[in-house]
Amino acid sequence: GESVGLHLPTLSVQEGDNSIINCAYSNSASDYFIWYKQESGKGPQFIIDIRSNMDKRQGQRVTVLLNKTVKHLSLQIAATQPGDSAVYFCAEILAGYSTLTFGKGTMLLVSP
Amino acid sequence: DGGITQSPKYLFRKEGQNVTLSCEQNLNHDAMYWYRQDPGQGLRLIYYSQIVNDFQKGDIAEGYSVSREKKESFPLTVTSAQKNPTAFYLCASSFNSNQPQHFGDGTRLSIL
Repeated sequence: GESVGLHLPTLSVQEGDNSIINCAYSNSASDYFIWYKQESGKGPQFIIDIRSNMDKRQGQRVTVLLNKTVKHLSLQIAATQPGDSAVYFCAEILAGYSTLTFGKGTMLLVSP
Repeated sequence: DGGITQSPKYLFRKEGQNVTLSCEQNLNHDAMYWYRQDPGQGLRLIYYSQIVNDFQKGDIAEGYSVSREKKESFPLTVTSAQKNPTAFYLCASSFNSNQPQHFGDGTRLSIL
């Protein structure tokens, strides 16, 4: 079937490397951010979230950094594995709104 | 297992035909959402519902309709007025707009 990864920015890494996926958001009023992972033919899977009153949050092998000054969000994946290969989306919610706005995604390719 | 179930996985529509995509969740979530995903694109919001018997248009509602008669169910009808319906359709749910959305595995709709 068609890949959701066509024409997406791509990050290629070697297994065991650390990966950093970046996301710029446009609205300074956004106050909640989520990273999702989407494998081919499947729905997005929640990875980690962060609220605007924080600048860093850690999960298992993943860290999200939020820089509100430059409106930038990043997802760091430690010791990247082939199973991490997927498209990664950031999403934001504006304060007072009830819907997510998704970025276009970045494809992560992990070579053994 | 708790989760979101979308059916069918693949669906074909003839010209002039309405088709309905099913979305069921047993997570006891109040809010439910429908997105459309085109190749190389992020997710675009079609409709959302924050509570039973209430729903709002998203960014691309034209040519679509929904209902929310039960908390667990949020079916999407792609009408004949939607001239470019070929896409991957994703349903999501959450407790509220300040909590992460959890996704089903999508329905791929194609035109015969």
